[in-house]
Amino acid sequence: GAGVSQSPSNKVTEKGKDVELRCDPISGHTALYWYRQRLGQGLEFLIYFQGNSAPDKSGLPSDRFSAERTGESVSTLTIQRTQQEDSAVYLCASSLSFSSPLHFGNGTRLTVT
Amino acid sequence: GIQVEQSPPDLILQEGANSTLRCNFSDSVNNLQWFHQNPWGQLINLFYIPSGTKQNGRLSATTVATERYSLLYISSSQTTDSGVYFCAGLRNAGNMLTFGGGTRLMVKP
Repeated sequence: GAGVSQSPSNKVTEKGKDVELRCDPISGHTALYWYRQRLGQGLEFLIYFQGNSAPDKSGLPSDRFSAERTGESVSTLTIQRTQQEDSAVYLCASSLSFSSPLHFGNGTRLTVT
Repeated sequence: GIQVEQSPPDLILQEGANSTLRCNFSDSVNNLQWFHQNPWGQLINLFYIPSGTKQNGRLSATTVATERYSLLYISSSQTTDSGVYFCAGLRNAGNMLTFGGGTRLMVKP
């Protein structure tokens, strides 16, 4: 595809369940970012990948959050034992390199009931 | 990481008016970008502008890296310009791209 693709677009889950969010970056983009945006708020950095490596995991809110990237392509953000405060839009973005424009997907809206 | 402050936080314009949005950084950056988030939540990259001036239609941006700020100019504003404008900066490769809190713009017809 031409842009960053995220799936699912919407996810409703019960408190305590695990969820997996997927991001397909633009082909050839080596850098990949995950951000979280709560309603009416700014963008909160979660994690950044350069290739398949994550140099900075300090943004992950708790040990319930994990992420991986394989083949320098698709990335998965996993949230275990979801809590209501995890409800937000999770945004993925990719760029060709560190010094290139960042392109965002449309996000996954997660609602924890 | 760096701190990013945007001003004003909220702005209401009459259609046709011009405006300037500002982004201040706590440290020098060598990767600076401006984004527009439309009312449907889509984030669009407006400018990649670590230094200098760029123009794209009615929008232009200027970054003065040595003084740690960037400006986004919107001329002849239209209702479709409404939304939230974010700037983001990064100091070194391998660090996170940090976003400001945004400027929420409403353009009235």
